[in-house]
Amino acid sequence: EVQLVESGGGLVQPGRSLKLSCAASGFTFSNYYMAWVRQAPKKGLEWVATISTSGSRTYYPDSVKGRFTISRDNAKSSLYLQMNSLKSEDTATYYCARHDWFAYWGQGTLVTVSS
Amino acid sequence: DVVMTQTPPSLSVAIGQSVSISCKSSQSLVYSDGKTYLHWLLQSPGRSPKRLIYQVSNLGSGVPDRFSGTGSQKDFTLKISRVEAEDLGVYYCAQTTHFPHTFGAGTKLELK
Repeated sequence: EVQLVESGGGLVQPGRSLKLSCAASGFTFSNYYMAWVRQAPKKGLEWVATISTSGSRTYYPDSVKGRFTISRDNAKSSLYLQMNSLKSEDTATYYCARHDWFAYWGQGTLVTVSS
Repeated sequence: DVVMTQTPPSLSVAIGQSVSISCKSSQSLVYSDGKTYLHWLLQSPGRSPKRLIYQVSNLGSGVPDRFSGTGSQKDFTLKISRVEAEDLGVYYCAQTTHFPHTFGAGTKLELK
């Protein structure tokens, strides 16, 4: 059974940093592109980042480019999202997803950016 | 960026009724490999999104065949035949043809 379990969310002040993790199991992690998608409270879905199988290629929307960094450790079947210079508009539930057309999602981890 | 326009924003249905949701993109979603990367997701209340259909018309694993997807280029439709209670929630279309990947604003399916 495919499982994606996010962790690392919490309350953080504007301008600070936070690192999210996603532990994957039930599939060969190194074979798949992976992604982060977020959902602000009561809002729709927003794609945040994608990483290739080896980690050599990463993709971001302009809203987070230069502030967020996606990475992976294939030996640990883990995905990460380093978020720097956080803003109030980054407040959202962050989901880890397998990128083969968003086939699988985690349960999400809530990030609240507030002073 | 590719804008995904979903209509209607909400639908009120009776169990057993059939419904359709439209998704139109601001650009063609045909990739250079000839495939179209348009997908449909359902987010049930309080749950994570779940993929229903990928690449326009392919049913995801375990998804009932009451769900079907059609369309091409810039115009796509999700049809649900014989709505069941478990189908209620917010439906999203999503494109992964172009970066940045983008989602529709969602269509909320409610019980009449």
